[in-house]
Amino acid sequence: EPEVTQTPSHQVTQMGQEVILRCVPISNHLYFYWYRQILGQKVEFLVSFYNNEISEKSEIFDDQFSVERPDGSNFTLKIRSTKLEDSAMYFCASGTSSRIADTQYFGPGTRLTVL
Amino acid sequence: AQSVTQPDIHITVSEGASLELRCNYSYGATPYLFWYVQSPGQGLQLLLKYFSGDTLVQGIKGFEAEFKRSQSSFNLRKPSVHWSDAAEYFCAVARRDNTDKLIFGTGTRLQVFP
Repeated sequence: EPEVTQTPSHQVTQMGQEVILRCVPISNHLYFYWYRQILGQKVEFLVSFYNNEISEKSEIFDDQFSVERPDGSNFTLKIRSTKLEDSAMYFCASGTSSRIADTQYFGPGTRLTVL
Repeated sequence: AQSVTQPDIHITVSEGASLELRCNYSYGATPYLFWYVQSPGQGLQLLLKYFSGDTLVQGIKGFEAEFKRSQSSFNLRKPSVHWSDAAEYFCAVARRDNTDKLIFGTGTRLQVFP
């Protein structure tokens, strides 16, 4: 069964550094998402992406965050200058063309630790 | 504000026992409703979803959930739990107005004793 994959599984970085989290969505999917889960808290929506542009974003997704689909297979989340409070598990998801009416398939997550 | 509440942070059951995980939502209108499961080291896997129609929804792995509009609830049930069901379970909702944003509850961790 096709899966969403994410790399790395764990990323440790210093505060103020840039990080790029990578995701490979399921190949025929057209909608892409990032969510995050701070330890002990809810999974929170960050951003959705379709047709090479952001379709929706949350208030968490400020100017420090950006997303890109650089080569037609990868989907990346960049945090320009990490803060301690960015430490969380970041989940990528992808879906087919029906948006919320269809299933979002999630990857295993990348745990980001900011020191 | 829209919210999803899972009142049980941690539940422990014996293998073979029945299970009910609670989920309540606060919305202006009936949203789309979902249950996801996360096993250790795995992504979130969809168990079942409710959009409309029959309020009792069947999912994978023997799970079912019942939508009760009067109680704003979407509780997950399984008649006989297996040790492999030990995982974190998340209830999620989405508005029906052309959004693809899932709003999650805080999750319930299920522990199964042999």
